[in-house]
Amino acid sequence: DIQMTQSPSFLSASVGDRVTINCKASQNINKYLNWYQQKLGEAPKLLIYNTNNLQTGIPSRFSGSGSGTDYTLTISSLQPEDVATYFCLQHSSRRTFGGGTKLELK
Amino acid sequence: QVQLKETGPDLVQLTQTLSITCTVSGFSLTTYNVHWVRQPPGKGLEWMGAMWNGGGTDYNSAFKSRLSISRDTSKSQVFLKMNSLQTEDTAKYFCAAHRYNRDYWGQGVMVTVSS
Repeated sequence: DIQMTQSPSFLSASVGDRVTINCKASQNINKYLNWYQQKLGEAPKLLIYNTNNLQTGIPSRFSGSGSGTDYTLTISSLQPEDVATYFCLQHSSRRTFGGGTKLELK
Repeated sequence: QVQLKETGPDLVQLTQTLSITCTVSGFSLTTYNVHWVRQPPGKGLEWMGAMWNGGGTDYNSAFKSRLSISRDTSKSQVFLKMNSLQTEDTAKYFCAAHRYNRDYWGQGVMVTVSS
């Protein structure tokens, strides 16, 4: 099975900061990489699909990039409502989630 | 309006079998893939397996020996059954439907495994 290593596991940033979260796959996943946001007590919400496609209704401050085994989620200007845990998901072969990044405000 | 709702027990005894039903509305099980995902308290998400829209299944190898996913398309229901439960199976269990960029989740059901 494909393994996904997500980093960092915890991130503290200020409003307006540029934030990046990374996921590394154990093998080439051909851009089949989604990003999810999960707020406390809620189901995950799809932000980005297939590496760099913004889901409908998601603010443009969220973006994704990457290829091969390395992928990045970027929040260009952190807002208070972005406090959440973020997960990557590979869907190249079955499915595997990254371990998650808990994002808090400094 | 697409909806998914998981129903199942709050509490399962150690070594017993867990059965959860995901009832969907607003779409057909023959057009969407339905996945099962779980999340232990305070921890990350774990993909368990899928019922593909064509009727096939796929499983996380970590569960393959004790997990079964099935469906009843006439009732718009997908079923998860997992045996030999241990305390580490205590988690919130979600079903989620996916088709291209259409992605919908149920609210999840919290299951505690008790000795």
